[in-house]
Amino acid sequence: QSVLTQPPSVSAAPGQKVTISCSGSSSNIGNNYVSWYQQLPGTAPKLLIYENNNRPSGIPDRFSGSKSGTSATLVITGLQTGDEADYYCGTWDTSLSVYVFGTGTKVTVL
Amino acid sequence: QVQLQESGPGLVKPSEILSLTCTVSGYSISSGYYWGWIRQSPGKGLEWIGSMYHSGSTYYNPSLKSRVTISVDTSKNQFSLRLRPVTAADTAVYYCARVYGSGTYYRSDYWGQGTLVTVSS
Repeated sequence: QSVLTQPPSVSAAPGQKVTISCSGSSSNIGNNYVSWYQQLPGTAPKLLIYENNNRPSGIPDRFSGSKSGTSATLVITGLQTGDEADYYCGTWDTSLSVYVFGTGTKVTVL
Repeated sequence: QVQLQESGPGLVKPSEILSLTCTVSGYSISSGYYWGWIRQSPGKGLEWIGSMYHSGSTYYNPSLKSRVTISVDTSKNQFSLRLRPVTAADTAVYYCARVYGSGTYYRSDYWGQGTLVTVSS
């Protein structure tokens, strides 16, 4: 059972925006950086966002991240069919001494 | 370009040892970074197993710590995972990954394609 909670699914039409939340606590999100990972069907996860709001080279600026208190948010704008995937947040949990992933959110493009 | 590739048996019997190797290309393990393992049970989310710095310090998921060993072979530019004894609950796709930082800075920036390990008699 994950300590980071995400909505099971979100959906929107092409070109629209989706927002994915990741809720944690002071022992994880509240005091550590958050990363986001995209897992396309049948493939390995890929780092999308690191240190709350930074994009690795090659990740389009349609993907953005933010953090406030014990929650983090991933926003995808200009939604494309190729964005259909599972998205996971992740962060270090200082109390548990473990890296924790969120429960995952499936993004569907209508 | 950094690339990682998992290898090992796809079928392991209950109570035996799961042993996987990750071969790294495009980057020398001895140059730095942590190197880790993550797994994903069929249809489920991601579970962090642990990671190891090239010089030897390790971090393990407390829920698996008593059964897990991660080791690095810098001469072969590989790192390995051993999990024992295994049960059906250990059936999963196992990913190896390069890890940037530790603690608050932890993130997996390069991943292998993953390998499915089934635990069954």
